[in-house]
Amino acid sequence: EVQLVESGGGLVKPGGSLRLSCEASGFAFSSYGMNWVRQAPGKGLEWVSSINSLSTDKYYADSGKGRFTISRDNAKDSLYLQMNSLRAEDTAVYYCAREGWGRKAFDIWGQGTMVTVSS
Amino acid sequence: DIQMTQSPSTLSASVGDRVTITCRASQSISSWLAWYQQKPGKAPKLLIYKTSTLESGIPSRFSGSGSGTEFTLTISSLQPDDSATYYCQQFNSYSGTFGQGTKVEIK
Repeated sequence: EVQLVESGGGLVKPGGSLRLSCEASGFAFSSYGMNWVRQAPGKGLEWVSSINSLSTDKYYADSGKGRFTISRDNAKDSLYLQMNSLRAEDTAVYYCAREGWGRKAFDIWGQGTMVTVSS
Repeated sequence: DIQMTQSPSTLSASVGDRVTITCRASQSISSWLAWYQQKPGKAPKLLIYKTSTLESGIPSRFSGSGSGTEFTLTISSLQPDDSATYYCQQFNSYSGTFGQGTKVEIK
């Protein structure tokens, strides 16, 4: 079964850090671009960051530039998001999502992990 | 950055109705437009990519059209299971933008 499973969310104080992980299974992880998308409570979807299959290209939404770092370990079939200097407005469910071949769209999503930034 | 604007924000329709949602891009995105369905507490599901290509397993009552800056998602005959929020998205590897969403309710 093709699957993405996120972990690492939790409660963190403003200014703190958190590292999210996303473990892939059921497909050739190293062949796909991957992304993080978040959704604040009661709000819409926001693309956060993308990384290509070889980690040579990494991109970020303005909201996370300079604070978030995306990375991947193809040997471990895993995607990561390091989040530093967290703010209350970073509170959201964070999803990892696969970019489907030839789709420029996200065809596989994880179940999400909740990040709460609060004192 | 490319902005995506959906309309309407909410719509209420009856089972069997034809429903159309519009998505406008702030600049041309060629045909690289996707549509997702999201139900409460669940991850989004890809319905359509490249404007009009139906993802595998998606019912044929869903269709997409458009090009350049204006796109539409149509549900030809609304079903109870279609109650959800729908999002359009443009994605070009270095940036991705979602519309604000359209909540579809069943009367």
